[in-house]
Amino acid sequence: QVQLQESGPGLVKPSQTLSLTCTVSGGSITSGGYYWSWIRQVPGKGLEWIGFLSYDGSTYFNPSLKRRVSISRDTSKSQFSLKLSSVSAADTAVYYCARDIPYVGFDYWGQGTLVTVSS
Amino acid sequence: DIQMTQSPSSLSASVGDRVTITCRASQDIRNHLGWYQQKPGKAPKRLIYAASSLQGGVPSRFSGSGSGTEFTLTISSLQPEDFATYYCLQQNTYPRTFGQGTKVEIK
Repeated sequence: QVQLQESGPGLVKPSQTLSLTCTVSGGSITSGGYYWSWIRQVPGKGLEWIGFLSYDGSTYFNPSLKRRVSISRDTSKSQFSLKLSSVSAADTAVYYCARDIPYVGFDYWGQGTLVTVSS
Repeated sequence: DIQMTQSPSSLSASVGDRVTITCRASQDIRNHLGWYQQKPGKAPKRLIYAASSLQGGVPSRFSGSGSGTEFTLTISSLQPEDFATYYCLQQNTYPRTFGQGTKVEIK
């Protein structure tokens, strides 16, 4: 059973960089065919896909966030991480990590972590 | 980006009712569509993938249909645990895009 767990600061100041890590257990982030995505949800609102890290280390980001986003990995720890720079109150959201299968979608999700952007 | 338009945005229904939610894509996504259920404070849970394939462990009262640009999620007999928000997700291209959600409430 694959499990994902988000971790990171729950409070970030405006203009700073939001950093979150997703730890994967029960599966390898280098296993062929899987992408590892970040998704966010502003409280009370809908879901927005942020980007993915592929099993081969390549990345792809939502064009709406591309200038501010990066995703990296630490394969020794089975972790992948999100960085979102120059944050504002509009980036306050619950951030989820999820396993993504091309054409099939997100089958496993983390529980989500709320990040509040405030001074 | 592919726009996903979901309707209705909310509905009230009673236990035992048949419920239908529709999702329309702005361009052809073949059968690359999924349906997700989200309860308050929880991560979304996949119900349907490939438009009509039932995720393992999901009750058979949930079903999906459609292809191309028009898709439907049907709950054949609404149960108390089904009151939640439902989202469609296009899985054909990146960026992935979700519908705006349908909140199913108790009548």
